[in-house]
Amino acid sequence: DTEVTQTPKHLVMGMTNKKSLKCEQHMGHRAMYWYKQKAKKPPELMFVYSYEKLSINESVPSRFSPECPNSSLLNLHLHALQPEDSALYLCASGGTSGDPDTQYFGPGTRLTVL
Amino acid sequence: EDQVTQSPEALRLQEGESSSLNCSYTVSGLRGLFWYRQDPGKGPEFLFTLYSAGEEKEKERLKATLTKKESFLHITAPKPEDSATYLCAVPPDSSNTGKLIFGQGTTLQVKP
Repeated sequence: DTEVTQTPKHLVMGMTNKKSLKCEQHMGHRAMYWYKQKAKKPPELMFVYSYEKLSINESVPSRFSPECPNSSLLNLHLHALQPEDSALYLCASGGTSGDPDTQYFGPGTRLTVL
Repeated sequence: EDQVTQSPEALRLQEGESSSLNCSYTVSGLRGLFWYRQDPGKGPEFLFTLYSAGEEKEKERLKATLTKKESFLHITAPKPEDSATYLCAVPPDSSNTGKLIFGQGTTLQVKP
């Protein structure tokens, strides 16, 4: 099973709202990732958690706040977003002893900021 | 500089018309090359990981091959349901950070 789940599928929020995106995997992967994807562009890395610790922050604005409560869960807290933050947000997981680099993506959350 | 380039940017095929997509990379210490398929509005679906030159992997109508400088995704007798954007990616030539460098993708349209 290589399934990564994400909720919600769609989210519409105003610039003053606070919302959270959720991601879950049960494959025992040691790393989890948040990506942002704009139309007709490849995914753009935002954050990497390795063994539940934040290992990479790609200079993401503080209005995006990641959280990794345990090895299976990853959250992305959103606050005071801008319309240009509207995008497809993808979660991925990966990293096993036999396959350290392959990443498996979830279905994404389509975020619209009004 | 680590770089991944995919060509063509877009490809239109008739059903049954075989073709190949190209992914060239400049990472010197390749730790793996990954192919994904992405349908509009959905997350990338993992297809293949290739680790060394000469390696080949197949799945249904798709076959991925790897040389020291590029990878090809061969599509044999494609069907309309193969229409999607195909992305390739490699880890950068640095310590194991979990990053991937993606190409810009090839958007494939297969007409019946």
